[in-house]
Amino acid sequence: QVHVVQSGAEVKKPGASLKVSCNASGYTFTDYGFSWVRQAPGQGLEWMGWISIFYGDTNYARKFQGRVTLTRDTSTGTVNMELRSLRSDDTAVYYCARESPLAGYPFEYWGQGTPVTVSS
Amino acid sequence: EIELTQSPGTLSLSPGERATLSCRASQSVDNNYLAWYQQTPGQAPRLLIYGASNRATGIPDRFSGSGSGTDFTLTISRLEPEDFAVYYCQQAGSLLKTFGQGTKVEIK
Repeated sequence: QVHVVQSGAEVKKPGASLKVSCNASGYTFTDYGFSWVRQAPGQGLEWMGWISIFYGDTNYARKFQGRVTLTRDTSTGTVNMELRSLRSDDTAVYYCARESPLAGYPFEYWGQGTPVTVSS
Repeated sequence: EIELTQSPGTLSLSPGERATLSCRASQSVDNNYLAWYQQTPGQAPRLLIYGASNRATGIPDRFSGSGSGTDFTLTISRLEPEDFAVYYCQQAGSLLKTFGQGTKVEIK
């Protein structure tokens, strides 16, 4: 059974950096990539980027290019998202989502979400 | 990046009624790699439909997806109380994936 568990809530000051982790288990970790998706309060879903677990390749949404870095640790089954130069509008719930071997590699397994507050 | 526009923003219907949600892409979605997700308050999204028309595991057959190219539709044949939620489309036809802004299905 697949489990995806994220790190806990964070409170950060503007200008700081954020790191959120996502631990996956119940399958061969290197078989599937992960995306990160965020959701600001009362708003919709926003795709941030993707990482291939096997190769470590990444793709980032243009909005976050240069400010976000996705990494993975195959020894621990962990995917990490680092977001730098935080602003108040980065306040959101951040989700990791594992792709599935279906047409279009949709996000079938999601973490529980990590609430992040950016405030001075 | 491909922009997805969902309509309507809000759909007010009664249980038992049919819901039709639209998702329009700014350019053709390669291979019709279009998925639909359902989200209820405080929960992570749940995959409903992938590849435009394939139901994900465990999804009831009252949910169906159709469409191709730039125009896609999610249909809920008869609304159950648990179907009142927000629905998002998402494209994976390009390396940079995107979501629509969502359609809220609310009880009339």
